[in-house]
Amino acid sequence: AQSVTQLGSHVSVSEGALVLLRCNYSSSVPPYLFWYVQYPNQGLQLLLKYTTGATLVKGINGFEAEFKKSETSFHLTKPSAHMSDAAEYFCAVSKSNTGNQFYFGTGTSLTVIP
Amino acid sequence: GAVVSQHPSWVICKSGTSVKIECRSLDFQATTMFWYRQFPKQSLMLMATSNEGSKATYEQGVEKDKFLINHASLTLSTLTVTSAHPEDSSFYICSARDQIGGEQYFGPGTRLTVT
Repeated sequence: AQSVTQLGSHVSVSEGALVLLRCNYSSSVPPYLFWYVQYPNQGLQLLLKYTTGATLVKGINGFEAEFKKSETSFHLTKPSAHMSDAAEYFCAVSKSNTGNQFYFGTGTSLTVIP
Repeated sequence: GAVVSQHPSWVICKSGTSVKIECRSLDFQATTMFWYRQFPKQSLMLMATSNEGSKATYEQGVEKDKFLINHASLTLSTLTVTSAHPEDSSFYICSARDQIGGEQYFGPGTRLTVT
């Protein structure tokens, strides 16, 4: 069975501050992990994904995430928040690197304070 | 990059009527498409997996007779909400898996409001 837990449904940071969105997963097989961003009334946009290889994954818009197997975590970070980063962020796990079937976390709403 | 479109982007219908939502892969072919439902402030829940030329596979608890899925071509899947009720009001999102590369791309979603 696979599942994802996102700690903190709402996160607020000041503009320019570090962004840290937490994601822990549970998987009975080696997981493939994804982070998606959703802007209001829009679909999902892939930020980054971990399949195999390097555990530190860099994505678009300056985001990165580190796969830590020992902690079953895949936290999303960005060194300096921008106003345009305000959105809903979803962590997802899949059995395949192409996401045959995604299991999404409940999402974290990021607010950036000017 | 690959684009998935949904039509309409939003729709309001009266209780008891049926609504069809289209999901198209614009620049790639997709043998498999997925339909998700998202309630306000909640995550996406997979409703069904749509396979071109065959019957859709529904997740547990999803009524297949209420949510009719047709995947008649490699670029089009449709979701029809039959006899819609206010509790069917939701944001419906589709995704399509590239037949060649295997990547999955999400559509922009369709907001359904049933009055």
